[in-house]
Amino acid sequence: NAGVTQTPKFQVLKTGQSMTLQCAQDMNHNSMYWYRQDPGMGLRLIYYSASEGTTDKGEVPNGYNVSRLNKREFSLRLESAAPSQTSVYFCASSGGQGASYNSPLHFGNGTRLTVT
Amino acid sequence: SQQGEEDPQALSIQEGENATMNCSYKTSINNLQWYRQNSGRGLVHLILIRSNEREKHSGRLRVTLDTSKKSSSLLITASRAADTASYFCATGNTNAGKSTFGDGTTLTVKP
Repeated sequence: NAGVTQTPKFQVLKTGQSMTLQCAQDMNHNSMYWYRQDPGMGLRLIYYSASEGTTDKGEVPNGYNVSRLNKREFSLRLESAAPSQTSVYFCASSGGQGASYNSPLHFGNGTRLTVT
Repeated sequence: SQQGEEDPQALSIQEGENATMNCSYKTSINNLQWYRQNSGRGLVHLILIRSNEREKHSGRLRVTLDTSKKSSSLLITASRAADTASYFCATGNTNAGKSTFGDGTTLTVKP
């Protein structure tokens, strides 16, 4: 049982380059999330998808776009990377619709992104 | 801004001692969750306590929730070196539809 799988694990970009972070879950969860974690800090929500076909902005959406490709997959795109986007990105999924169904989050192991 | 705030930011104890971490939050919640993060890894869910519950146990973990004070505590009893990690609380809210994390407590358990 793989759980939540993120690719790639590491990435270095130059300012202005674009890339897509991939996330897939095999737990048949409805909701998926993208968080970023900066050194010594907690997680901040970038975007989330409460169910297939819907996406919503979180706390820090600027500079990012997302696609809920199907129930399993939720991708995060940086159109024009900036040094401020250097961070560790975590994808997560949960069974219920958002937190209202009291479902815990299941996390991937993260993508470490450096923008120079 | 972060909904949950953990206290203390860092905690260092000897193996065998108990570790207590606190979490305060600002708005009404449906549930509060505690997670552990080992260095370089993703977060792992430990316990979820619902807003109508006051205490919950799981192995060596004990979580309390006081909604009148908008606070929660995580107690790890008889700590082990393997408990060394960062611990985060996250609040779940129906209206928000998502969980909001604090900045975490870094626990170091010395053998």
